[in-house]
Amino acid sequence: SAVISQKPSRDICQRGTSLTIQCQVDSQVTMMFWYRQQPGQSLTLIATANQGSEATYESGFVIDKFPISRPNLTFSTLTVSNMSPEDSSIYLCSVAVVGVGTGELFFGEGSRLTVL
Amino acid sequence: ILNVEQSPQSLHVQEGDSTNFTCSFPSSNFYALHWYRWETAKSPEALFVMTLNGDEKKKGRISATLNTKEGYSYLYIKGSQPEDSATYLCALYSGGGADGLTFGKGTHLIIQP
Repeated sequence: SAVISQKPSRDICQRGTSLTIQCQVDSQVTMMFWYRQQPGQSLTLIATANQGSEATYESGFVIDKFPISRPNLTFSTLTVSNMSPEDSSIYLCSVAVVGVGTGELFFGEGSRLTVL
Repeated sequence: ILNVEQSPQSLHVQEGDSTNFTCSFPSSNFYALHWYRWETAKSPEALFVMTLNGDEKKKGRISATLNTKEGYSYLYIKGSQPEDSATYLCALYSGGGADGLTFGKGTHLIIQP
């Protein structure tokens, strides 16, 4: 299993600013995932963050908007850049401890962002 | 884009009653099906990961079945309790190099005392 600490838990941000979300895992994991849930929508994968390589972004998400760092096997950050009200969402980091897909994901508690 | 559908979107159930809800997915893209429970202000928590057609899994009062040929899974809760109130998410893993899961929008369950 894995225990994930994510912060901030919530924030209210002004349009045009950027915010960095931090994710700390209590064990070393290869793959970390960043998800977003917009109001009324499903959890959507933003990117996969592997240590030592560039993050892999899903269609519709770009590095300039959501830069990700993965400096080691227990930590990652996601920055939401130049925020607009459409970025108001819950952002979740997650890890797969045993395989991808056939093993369960472990999640942080989420960062609820409101952009005014 | 994979389409994972969950129904109903929300559900009110009396304490003590049993309930069930559905997750539908494209059977041609199936590799594994996950169920998670997400309580407000907490982390989503895995309930089941299912890979075999006809599989049936159980955890306490909660169970799930899987039909990969027709592309659906049912989640059952027997004798609902207030602590069962949560959003239940299903997610499809399609394999083939995919990194993440494709989630449905969830079923929001409210247990009324």
